[in-house]
Amino acid sequence: DTEVTQTPKHLVMGMTNKKSLKCEQHMGHRAMYWYKQKAKKPPELMFVYSYEKLSINESVPSRFSPECPNSSLLNLHLHALQPEDSALYLCASSPGQGTSYGYTFGSGTRLTVV
Amino acid sequence: GQNIDQPTEMTATEGAIVQINCTYQTSGFNGLFWYQQHAGEAPTFLSYNVLDGLEEKGRFSSFLSRSKGYSYLLLKELQMKDSASYLCATFTGGGNKLTFGTGTQLKVEL
Repeated sequence: DTEVTQTPKHLVMGMTNKKSLKCEQHMGHRAMYWYKQKAKKPPELMFVYSYEKLSINESVPSRFSPECPNSSLLNLHLHALQPEDSALYLCASSPGQGTSYGYTFGSGTRLTVV
Repeated sequence: GQNIDQPTEMTATEGAIVQINCTYQTSGFNGLFWYQQHAGEAPTFLSYNVLDGLEEKGRFSSFLSRSKGYSYLLLKELQMKDSASYLCATFTGGGNKLTFGTGTQLKVEL
């Protein structure tokens, strides 16, 4: 298995809703990442988990809450989002933090906040 | 901070060669990646350079000059399926972060 799987592929949520994005990989990678990508813009790093511990938080608002239950899973909990949070949310993994092997990206969750 | 620049758009002809440039100013530089991203899809890994010089991989080659803060991606024998966004990304060892440049939208025409 050489994939990063993200669910759901599409999500529409209201500003008062609570939802979660899920990411899974079975490549034995020990570092996992959340990126946010707006249309026609590059991905922007949000969070980095290394060995199931949060190692980087790029000053992301608290309405985004990451969670790494185990080495294969990464969640992003969403609460009280704003319309400007609508974007493609990409999960990625790598063998370890600080690797030359490149990151493997999932196909993303397209989030629309209404 | 990081500053990574690429041309916004490029157009090339099927079968031709195109060079996509990337300049960067960054601290704690630990390598440079090139990714390809088709619209609505995940970025896919193309190449990684950490030492100066040219890395060749099939129709794709990537070059790095660390002293100049410069890299390019060379695509040969262009195909229509190469129409995509090409993202240059620097890897900074201090924080182990992958930071993407602005991306170059390549359009391959007949």
